[in-house]
Amino acid sequence: KNQVEQSPQSLIILEGKNCTLQCNYTVSPFSNLRWYKQDTGRGPVSLTIMTFSENTKSNGRYTATLDADTKQSSLHITASQLSDSASYICVVSDRGSTLGRLYFGRGTQLTVWP
Amino acid sequence: EADIYQTPRYLVIGTGKKITLECSQTMGHDKMYWYQQDPGMELHLIHYSYGVNSTEKGDLSSESTVSRIRTEHFPLTLESARPSHTSQYLCASSAGPAGAFNHFGPGTRLTVT
Repeated sequence: KNQVEQSPQSLIILEGKNCTLQCNYTVSPFSNLRWYKQDTGRGPVSLTIMTFSENTKSNGRYTATLDADTKQSSLHITASQLSDSASYICVVSDRGSTLGRLYFGRGTQLTVWP
Repeated sequence: EADIYQTPRYLVIGTGKKITLECSQTMGHDKMYWYQQDPGMELHLIHYSYGVNSTEKGDLSSESTVSRIRTEHFPLTLESARPSHTSQYLCASSAGPAGAFNHFGPGTRLTVT
C-alpha cells in the first residue's frame, strides 16, 4: 500500500533554532516528492519539489533532501522565525497512472516560540 | 503566487441546505482537483477534472458533485448538507502532465450544524 509517514507529529522550537522534519514513503513507482507549508485555515503552499535524480533542494531557509534508495526525505529549517509556525506536509507523486496520484502525509505541526 | 480562488472562505449552514463551493483559477490550467481535509489529517482527493466536461471521483467517497463547464471554474455542490460534511475543502489546479505541480486555493471551512 502506498503510504507517506511523517515525523514528528508535532514539534515546538524556540525562535532562531534549527529543526529537521522527516518523511518516509512507500510510494512506487516514484515520480516526485514535494514539501508544502500550510498555515492554519489556509491552503498548502509549495516549498520544494524533487524528482528521483535530485537529492537536495533549497528555498531560502528551507532545505529538502531526498534519498530515493531508502525512500526518505527531510526538510531542514534554518534560523526559525515565528512565521514558520505551520503544518509541513510531505506529498509524493507516483508515475504508475495517468492521474499521477498524490499521496499526502498528515503533516508535522511546527510551533515556533519567541 | 498562484491565482486560484475559493469562496466562501468560511460557511456555517444548517442541515439539509444546498450549498455550492466556488473555485476559480486564472492560469488556464487544464487540471483541477477538490480535496477534503479534516484537522490534523491528510488531504483526500474527492473529485478531479482533466478539462472541460471531464469530471471523475477521487479516492475518498463523497456525496458532493462537481461540474466543469469552463476551464477556469470548478464548483463543488452538496445537495443536502449534513454535519458529517463539516470539513475543510481545498481546490487545486495544475498544468502539464498529471502529477505535476499543484497550486492550492486558500480553502473553504464548512461547518454544518
